[in-house]
Amino acid sequence: DAMVIQNPRYQVTQFGKPVTLSCSQTLNHNVMYWYQQKSSQAPKLLFHYYDKDFNNEADTPDNFQSRRPNTSFCFLDIRSPGLGDTAMYLCATRLGGGLNEQFFGPGTRLTVL
Amino acid sequence: GENVEQHPSTLSVQEGDSAVIKCTYSDSASNYFPWYKQELGKRPQLIIDIRSNVGEKKDQRIAVTLNKTAKHFSLHITETQPEDSAVYFCAALSSGNTPLVFGKGTRLSVIA
Repeated sequence: DAMVIQNPRYQVTQFGKPVTLSCSQTLNHNVMYWYQQKSSQAPKLLFHYYDKDFNNEADTPDNFQSRRPNTSFCFLDIRSPGLGDTAMYLCATRLGGGLNEQFFGPGTRLTVL
Repeated sequence: GENVEQHPSTLSVQEGDSAVIKCTYSDSASNYFPWYKQELGKRPQLIIDIRSNVGEKKDQRIAVTLNKTAKHFSLHITETQPEDSAVYFCAALSSGNTPLVFGKGTRLSVIA
């Protein structure tokens, strides 16, 4: 009965080697978010999709990109990971248009060596 | 845009005592205020939320109060237990079409 699923749960990659993180949801929510979280800091919003509309935060690095091929799936692509990209990456979903709860996935812990 | 300030950043209490975490927000249009608990290595999980048409909401040992005039809201945990130890985040939402804005978090330690 998992609602927001992230794969993989742990990922180790080399400096500069592209990596893709995936998120899927069974809630049929129209809004999906990607956050980066470091060391118990607050989740930092990278971008979000409202339906098919992509919204990039102003300070999201250019080597972070996202794809949402359908309602259920969303991907985070890091084209050239740096050491500073080591973090937990959280996917979240929400039913937009109202004051509705946001659900987080379990996260992918990314380590860049 | 919305800005959420959260205090304190760390809080230690003795088991059985109460804990209070406070947040202020800047956008008077904000009308949804969730609180998330995040244990080490786990996802943030919603523990309680409040909408602007109510001033207080309670769920067993946790409660949230909202003062729209002063633009602040607080989380109250009574009879704290060691398993309440976690990082707590407040957040504010101004409309159904905008992202949540999070506070910086409070690390709560409950000492047995």
